[in-house]
Amino acid sequence: QKEVEQDPGPLSVPEGAIVSLNCTYSNSAFQYFMWYRQYSRKGPELLMYTYSSGNKEDGRFTAQVDKSSKYISLFIRDSQPSDSATYLCAMSADGGGFKTIFGAGTRLFVKA
Amino acid sequence: ETGVTQTPRHLVMGMTNKKSLKCEQHLGHNAMYWYKQSAKKPLELMFVYSLEERVENNSVPSRFSPECPNSSHLFLHLHTLQPEDSALYLCASSQVRRDNQPQHFGDGTRLSIL
Repeated sequence: QKEVEQDPGPLSVPEGAIVSLNCTYSNSAFQYFMWYRQYSRKGPELLMYTYSSGNKEDGRFTAQVDKSSKYISLFIRDSQPSDSATYLCAMSADGGGFKTIFGAGTRLFVKA
Repeated sequence: ETGVTQTPRHLVMGMTNKKSLKCEQHLGHNAMYWYKQSAKKPLELMFVYSLEERVENNSVPSRFSPECPNSSHLFLHLHTLQPEDSALYLCASSQVRRDNQPQHFGDGTRLSIL
C-alpha cells in the first residue's frame, strides 16, 4: 500500500464550480499537510500548509484535514480557468527527518 | 532574483556525456533538496543537504553526484546516464526548525537522455 494515495484524474469542471481534491494516507504519524499547485513546465508552488487536524482558509482555497480518517481535502471555490493545473498533496511527520511524502498529483481542467 | 532558480531549464545529453545541473536559493534557507519527477509518479527524493552536509541519499545510483558548496547553492553532476533517467529534476529548499517547514521548489530542469 502506498503511503499517500491521490486520484490522478483528470478532473474537468466548468468555470465557477466548487472543486474538491482529496488524498488518503496510511501513516498516522503525519502531522504536517501541504497542497502544491504545479502548472505545466513549472515547479510545484506551495498553496496551503496546515498542522494537525482542522480547516484552513486562504481566499478561494480551503484545506481540510481529518486525521481520524487519514483523509485530506483541498476545496477551490468559484474555480477559474487559471486554476487548471496539477495539484499535489504532501505530508510529513514530526521527527521524520527531511522526508516529505508526495501524492502523484491530480490533473484539474477548468473550462471557460 | 527571488525564490529558487534552476539552470538550465532544458538539457539534452547523450549517455556518455557529463553535465551539471545548478540550483540557487534566495530564501535564506538552510536545507536543500534534489527530487526526480517522472510522469504520473510521486516526487522521488534523491538527496538532502542540511547546513551543507548531506543527510539523505535515497539509494541513488552513483551516476548522480550532488555537491553543496554553501547553503545557497546546490549542484547535481551527471555522468553516464541511462534513458530511464529522462525526467524533470526539481530543486527545493526549506528552513530547518523544530517544526517541519514546507519546501519551496524551483521550476526544474527537463532532462532528456538520447
